Amino acid sequence: QKEVEQDPGPLSVPEGAIVSLNCTYSNSAFQYFMWYRQYSRKGPELLMYTYSSGNKEDGRFTAQVDKSSKYISLFIRDSQPSDSATYLCAMSPNTGNQFYFGTGTSLTVIP
Amino acid sequence: SAVISQKPSRDICQRGTSLTIQCQVDSQVTMMFWYRQQPGQSLTLIATANQGSEATYESGFVIDKFPISRPNLTFSTLTVSNMSPEDSSIYLCSVWEQLNTEAFFGQGTRLTVV
Repeated sequence: QKEVEQDPGPLSVPEGAIVSLNCTYSNSAFQYFMWYRQYSRKGPELLMYTYSSGNKEDGRFTAQVDKSSKYISLFIRDSQPSDSATYLCAMSPNTGNQFYFGTGTSLTVIP
Repeated sequence: SAVISQKPSRDICQRGTSLTIQCQVDSQVTMMFWYRQQPGQSLTLIATANQGSEATYESGFVIDKFPISRPNLTFSTLTVSNMSPEDSSIYLCSVWEQLNTEAFFGQGTRLTVV
């Protein structure tokens, strides 16, 4: 079983839609949860960071962590064509440790 | 946030040769990580580079193939040695910014081996 599971998609939505991206994991030691956005031919760009359980909101983006279910989500409201990218979830048991990545979900927002 | 400069951004290399990738950070960081992202795949950790000690390699990666240097707290290099087409990937360095407990990536080096 992989440490982190993520549906690779591809996911295609109309502009303005609400997007839900999800990852599940198996290691209960994970405490740091990140979402990265990766445009084609670019390195991953940190989008959201969450420690332990709970929600975090930043503009159109909301990250949720449910440690009891080992499930994390990223919601994108009012999606824009510029949101078209691959979204990677990543998690780590502690600061300074390696990240364990999902395979990434490819998102296309259609104008 | 930490700013990471990674060079080269891309290269096309002949099989059997070696390429050294540089990673420069604008602040001092304890640990630097080197990842590989093969086409259509997610990121896989190659090794962790600590200043003043030998790098720690993950299963499937060896020092002879991927030697790493970490001469100070802001710089590291990864060499891909004796390259074959299977080494064609994006190579990324990453750091934890300890003050903010956030982790950042360089832009990556897109390597094609022909």
